[in-house]
This record gives sequence, C-alpha cells and structure tokens, in this order.
Amino acid sequence: NAGVMQNPRHLVRRRGQEARLRCSPMKGHSHVYWYRQLPEEGLKFMVYLQKENIIDESGMPKERFSAEFPKEGPSILRIQQVVRGDSAAYFCASSPSSYEQYFGPGTRLTVT
Amino acid sequence: LAKTTQPISMDSYEGQEVNITCSHNNIATNDYITWYQQFPSQGPRFIIQGYKTKVTNEVASLFIPADRKSSTLSLPRVSLSDTAVYYCLVVDDKIIFGKGTRLHILP
Repeated sequence: NAGVMQNPRHLVRRRGQEARLRCSPMKGHSHVYWYRQLPEEGLKFMVYLQKENIIDESGMPKERFSAEFPKEGPSILRIQQVVRGDSAAYFCASSPSSYEQYFGPGTRLTVT
Repeated sequence: LAKTTQPISMDSYEGQEVNITCSHNNIATNDYITWYQQFPSQGPRFIIQGYKTKVTNEVASLFIPADRKSSTLSLPRVSLSDTAVYYCLVVDDKIIFGKGTRLHILP
C-alpha cells in the first residue's frame, strides 16, 4: 500500500503566478488535510476535506487559496497570485478516520 | 481547542531512555493524545496515541495520568537516528500542531 503521494516535491514560482499542489491519499482514505510549515515552526492546519466536500477551512487564508478533493483524482491546493510570504513547505495528510493521519513528503514552494 | 505545552528542546545520549512530557490542562473528554515525529525535510510520522493509562508499541510508550492533564512520551534506548522534532497533540476533530520538542541525541 503506497503512502501519501505529493507532487511536485519542489516548486518555484515567480510572484503573481499560480501554484498547484497535488496530493494523492493512501488507498481507502477519504479524509485529506493540508498543512503549511515555515522554517523552524510547527505545522499549521489549513483545510480538512472529504471526497467532494470541504469540512473545515478555518486555517485557509481568505483570499488566493483554495482546495478541492474531487470524486476522482488527487486533492489540489491552489494558490493564486503567489507572494514571497507563501514560500513554505506544504504537507498533505490522509486518514481513514479523523484521528490518525499519515503524512506525505511535502511540497516545498519557493516564490521568487 | 485544547492547547499543549512541551519543552522547546532536549538533549540526551545514545542508549539512554528519553522522556518528553507534555501538558494539556484543557483536554476534553473526547480528546485523544497523539505524538508525532518529524525529521528535517520530511512529513510528520505517527508514533503513538492513547486516551488514558499506558500505551506501548514497538517504538515508544505513552503514559497518561488519571486526570489526563499531561502525558509523557518515553523512548527507550535512543540512538542518533532519534534526533528529530516530537509533537504532542490533543486530537478531537482537528489536529493542531505546536512547535514541538527538538530532541538532540549525542554520541
């Protein structure tokens, strides 16, 4: 059973461009979570999704950020018009329930 | 949401037992206590989870007193590869990570 997959592992974008981060959960997992981590900081919760539904987006910035988890395919975290402050590691986790989470390797976004 | 407090950093030596204590004074009845480990440039890895008393697996033990206001992660006979950040979390329907404890194992 493959683990949580995230791609790309590294992403470089210029200010104003769009960033799309993909997360494929473990087989059989219907819960997906996205987190952001700045250097030397803990992970900050962004959004919790189940198939086709956003359950909790209280950690998502109100503008430029969106997330989806369609019926088919990976979960997508989309950042529009990126700014330098968006540079961070973005981790996705999946879970068969709402307790134990399995994390992917992360996507490191650099905005130049 | 219950907040957790744990030491910012700890040092220990190879072969020693390491205990990391976390306080969670506002833990709710339905909350579980979960510990994660994170190496640099990797996602966190689940270590252990418990609700009360003691839980043990092949990696660690988790001790939770009756009032559940704190918990202690115990790592037996640590090695250099146990150098990592350890996060204590109280889990209801949302997982909130603090800054964790940076454990540094010395030879």
